[in-house]
Amino acid sequence: DTEVTQTPKHLVMGMTNKKSLKCEQHMGHRAMYWYKQKAKKPPELMFVYSYEKLSINESVPSRFSPECPNSSLLNLHLHALQPEDSALYLCASSQGTGGPSGYTFGSGTRLTVV
Amino acid sequence: GEDVEQSLFLSVREGDSSVINCTYTDSSSTYLYWYKQEPGAGLQLLTYIFSNMDMKQDQRLTVLLNKKDKHLSLRIADTQTGDSAIYFCAERSGNFNKFYFGSGTKLNVKP
Repeated sequence: DTEVTQTPKHLVMGMTNKKSLKCEQHMGHRAMYWYKQKAKKPPELMFVYSYEKLSINESVPSRFSPECPNSSLLNLHLHALQPEDSALYLCASSQGTGGPSGYTFGSGTRLTVV
Repeated sequence: GEDVEQSLFLSVREGDSSVINCTYTDSSSTYLYWYKQEPGAGLQLLTYIFSNMDMKQDQRLTVLLNKKDKHLSLRIADTQTGDSAIYFCAERSGNFNKFYFGSGTKLNVKP
């Protein structure tokens, strides 16, 4: 299995809703990431988990809450989002330490906040 | 953060070669990458180059690295319509967990 699987593919939520994005990989990668990508822009790093511990939080608002229940799963809990949070949310994974491996990206969740 | 810059658009005819350029600022970068993103999809790793290499070839793809000028390029030989996509260069910073992406170059291949 050489894929990163993200669900759902599309999500529409109201500003008072609570929802979660899910990401799964079975490649034995020990680092997992959340990126946010606005239209016609490069991905922007949100969070990095290394060996199931949060290692980087790029000053992301608390309405985004990441969780790494085990080495294969990564969640992003959403609460009280704003319309400007609408974007493509990409999950990625990489091997743990050193080496040239780049990220393996999922196909993303297209989020629309209404 | 580090600056990674790319031109925004490139248009070529099918069968021609495409050259996509990228400049970066972090001299401590260990690896540099090229990713491809098709509409509505995630990013697909195309190739990477170690910073002590000048060139890497992988089938139709050739990566050239000028470390002195901090310039990276991706050449696609015999460009096909299926190569139409956005291409991002990325550098891995000294902290290996952080990648910095360029703004992306939209490649349009005309039949």
